[in-house]
Amino acid sequence: EAGVAQSPRYKIIEKRQSVAFWCNPISGHATLYWYQQILGQGPKLLIQFQNNGVVDDSQLPKDRFSAERLKGVDSTLKIQPAKLEDSAVYLCASSSLTGARTGELFFGEGSRLTVL
Amino acid sequence: GQQLNQSPQSMFIQEGEDVSMNCTSSSIFNTWLWYKQDPGEGPVLLIALYKAGELTSNGRLTAQFGITRKDSFLNISASIPSDVGIYFCAGPYSLFLTQGGSEKLVFGKGTKLTVNP
Repeated sequence: EAGVAQSPRYKIIEKRQSVAFWCNPISGHATLYWYQQILGQGPKLLIQFQNNGVVDDSQLPKDRFSAERLKGVDSTLKIQPAKLEDSAVYLCASSSLTGARTGELFFGEGSRLTVL
Repeated sequence: GQQLNQSPQSMFIQEGEDVSMNCTSSSIFNTWLWYKQDPGEGPVLLIALYKAGELTSNGRLTAQFGITRKDSFLNISASIPSDVGIYFCAGPYSLFLTQGGSEKLVFGKGTKLTVNP
C-alpha cells in the first residue's frame, strides 16, 4: 500500500515570496491533515479536512496560509507571503474515519521550508 | 491550547540499556498514543492506549495509560541503535465545544533518544 506522498521535499525561499506544498493521501482515507513542525517542537495541527470539508482550521494563520482539498483527495497548502518564522517542516497526514477518532494517523515524509 | 508535557527532553544511553519516558497533561485524555519520528521522516505510530490503567506491549516497547488519565509512560527494553529518534506522545483533544464532536490530535514536544553502540 502506497503511503502519504508529499512534494517538494525541500524548498528555500526569501521572505515575502510564496510557496505551495502538495499532498496525496493514502487511497480511501477520508481525513487529511496539515501539521507544522518547527525545529525542536512537536507537530502542530494547521488544518484538518474530512473529505473536502474543513473540520478544524483554528490554528491556521489565515492572513497568509491557505489550504484546499479539491474532490476530497489531494491537497495543497500555500503560504503567501512567507515570513521567517514559517521555516519548518510541513507534514501531511491522512487517516480513515475510524483512525481520525482513535488518533491513528499516517504521515508523509514532510516538506522542509527554509525562509531567508 | 491543550499541552502535553514530555520528559525527559533528551536521553543519551548505551546500547542494551532500558529507557523510560513519560507524558503528562493537565486535562484528561481518553486515548494516549506514542509516535516515533526518525530523522527526515514523518512520525509513525508505535502504540495506542484506549483504557485507563491499560498496559500494552509492542515488541520491546511497553506503554501504560495512567489511571488518572492525565499521564502515560513508554518503556523501551534492551535498546538498539535503530531506536534512535524522537518519541512523541499524542492525544485527541476534543473539539466538542466548538466543532460539534470532532477531535484533533495534539502532540508533546518529544523526547530525543540517542543510543551509543
